[in-house]
Amino acid sequence: DGGITQSPKYLFRKEGQNVTLSCEQNLNHDAMYWYRQDPGQGLRLIYYSQIVNDFQKGDIAEGYSVSREKKESFPLTVTSAQKNPTAFYLCASTVDRGGNQPQHFGDGTRLSIL
Amino acid sequence: DAKTTQPNSMESNEEEPVHLPCNHSTISGTDYIHWYRQLPSQGPEYVIHGLTSNVNNRMASLAIAEDRKSSTLILHRATLRDAAVYYCILRSSHIYNQGGKLIFGQGTELSVKP
Repeated sequence: DGGITQSPKYLFRKEGQNVTLSCEQNLNHDAMYWYRQDPGQGLRLIYYSQIVNDFQKGDIAEGYSVSREKKESFPLTVTSAQKNPTAFYLCASTVDRGGNQPQHFGDGTRLSIL
Repeated sequence: DAKTTQPNSMESNEEEPVHLPCNHSTISGTDYIHWYRQLPSQGPEYVIHGLTSNVNNRMASLAIAEDRKSSTLILHRATLRDAAVYYCILRSSHIYNQGGKLIFGQGTELSVKP
């Protein structure tokens, strides 16, 4: 079945360590997104990519980096510069960069600090 | 960015209709109204969306006020599996507005009693 796969489901980061969250989609979607969700809160946009080899900062990009070398893949790196990385991270994709199509979400990665 | 306002929580009885309200008084003419729902530790699931006219699909109906400043998600017969946090979200049709990001509010936590 087509969908979005995020891995790992749970991830632990040590002090000063960079960690990378994987997001893969087989929906042939051009646009992909990374969101962060804190407990009891809605989602906030970290980065988005509308096409391969191009990506833009969202509302809370500091301390994060991304790449988009392939259409199917949009990995997110949480760097040591992100001082409060504990959160639920969600990847999404959509066929339409405008408003008239839904975004499809993965099941998320929960990141915690050791 | 236009914001949405929803009640924090609502209760329903199983097999009864549920009307989930959403206010979006600052909506622009190019914003689509999307509804998603989220179960604990899962990614959001698309429910329905619309622009001006009422919409129906297999999951729910969306009633949009004539002035578009409010909308209502209607679940025709609530089941226990409908218990989730429901998000009313505005999505710009302008691809240059951060790639058509979803603007999440706090959502409404729906509980369904047997």
